[in-house]
Amino acid sequence: QVQLKESGPGLVQPSQTLSLTCTVSGFSLTSNSVHWVRQPPGKGLEWVGAIWSGGSTDYNSALKSRLSISRDTSKSQVFLKMNSLQTEDTAIYFCTRYGWTYWGQGVMVTVSS
Amino acid sequence: DIVMTQSPSSLAVSAGETVTINCKSSQSLFGSVRQKNYLAWYQQKPGQSPKLLIYLASTRESGVPDRFIGSGSGTDFTLTISSVQAEDLANYYCQQYYDTPLTFGSGTKLEIK
Repeated sequence: QVQLKESGPGLVQPSQTLSLTCTVSGFSLTSNSVHWVRQPPGKGLEWVGAIWSGGSTDYNSALKSRLSISRDTSKSQVFLKMNSLQTEDTAIYFCTRYGWTYWGQGVMVTVSS
Repeated sequence: DIVMTQSPSSLAVSAGETVTINCKSSQSLFGSVRQKNYLAWYQQKPGQSPKLLIYLASTRESGVPDRFIGSGSGTDFTLTISSVQAEDLANYYCQQYYDTPLTFGSGTKLEIK
């Protein structure tokens, strides 16, 4: 069955780099795109970016200067890296497969010193 | 970027009533190739990942009760929940996936009186 699971540090210091991993199962990354969506505490959903089946990427306009999404198809993993973190980046980060049926449980990331 | 304007931001209804949530996009979401509108609706309950209710503006996801109805085309879309039940207490979001960057509406909080 299709599953996605996010992992990464729960706490990151301001100005540091966030590294998250989305490990997927039940489908191939070379046939499906994976997207990152985040949600600050008590607020709405924000699309962060995506890696498409062919390996190309797209990013949120406001984040693209700080953001990089990549993948390792052999390990069925998608990676998100965001640098120069600020307190406003505190959020739950979800990964989801295009088609939008399947989502990970999310990982809470707090940016604080 | 395509801006999604969702209204109302919150509403409170009694069980059994009908609810209408609106979503307006800043440009058409109608794709000429597939002749479809690239608009999704989600339900999110506290502490949970978003749950897909409707995709392609009006196609109900498998397992979603038929009291959830998506309609609209072009730039104006509606999610109707008929005979609201207590379990429908949640936040609801629209999302366009016609073009990147993908964007979400700001959300509607549904409360049950």
